Amino acid sequence: EVQLVESGGGLIQPGGSLRLSCAASGFTFSNNWMSWVRQAPGKGLEYVANINPGGYETYYVDSVKGRFTISRDNAKNSLYLQMNSLGAEDTAVYHCARDSQQPRDGFVYRGQGTLVTVSS
Amino acid sequence: DVVMTQSPLSLPVTLGQPASISCRSNQNLVYVDGNTYLNWFHQRPGQSPRRLIYRVSTRDSGVPDRFSGSGSGTDFTLKISRVEAEDVGVYYCMQGGHWLGTFGQGTKVEIK
Repeated sequence: EVQLVESGGGLIQPGGSLRLSCAASGFTFSNNWMSWVRQAPGKGLEYVANINPGGYETYYVDSVKGRFTISRDNAKNSLYLQMNSLGAEDTAVYHCARDSQQPRDGFVYRGQGTLVTVSS
Repeated sequence: DVVMTQSPLSLPVTLGQPASISCRSNQNLVYVDGNTYLNWFHQRPGQSPRRLIYRVSTRDSGVPDRFSGSGSGTDFTLKISRVEAEDVGVYYCMQGGHWLGTFGQGTKVEIK
């Protein structure tokens, strides 16, 4: 059974930093593209960042470029999102997602997420 | 960024009747490999989104055949031939033709 368990969210002041983690199991993590997808309360879906199986190819939504960094440790079956210079617009539930073998086909599994609240 | 625009944003439907959701992109979604990367997701209240259809019209395993996808280029449609109670929730289109992918705003389907 595929499991994706996120951690690291919380309440953070504007301008602060957080590092999110995702522990993956139930599939061969090192073979899969992975993403972070966020959903603000009551709002729609947004891809935040995406990373290839080897960890050397990354993509970001324009609004987080230069502030967020996606990374992975295939030895630990773990995905990360380093978030810096956080603003109120970053408040959302952040979900780790396993992409299709062709990531352009979208994600096929998503974790329950970790809530990030940016507020003073 | 590629902007995906769905309509309607709210869709009250009668059980057993058809329903249709439109999704338009501001750029052509045909990728250099010749595939058109347009996907549909369904999110029931309190649940994670589930992909229903990928590459315009290919249904995922286990998705009832009352769901169908069509379209090309920039205009796409999701149709439900006969709405059932379990079909309520929010439907999102998602484009993968220009990476990083982007989603539409969502269409909320509810039973009249």
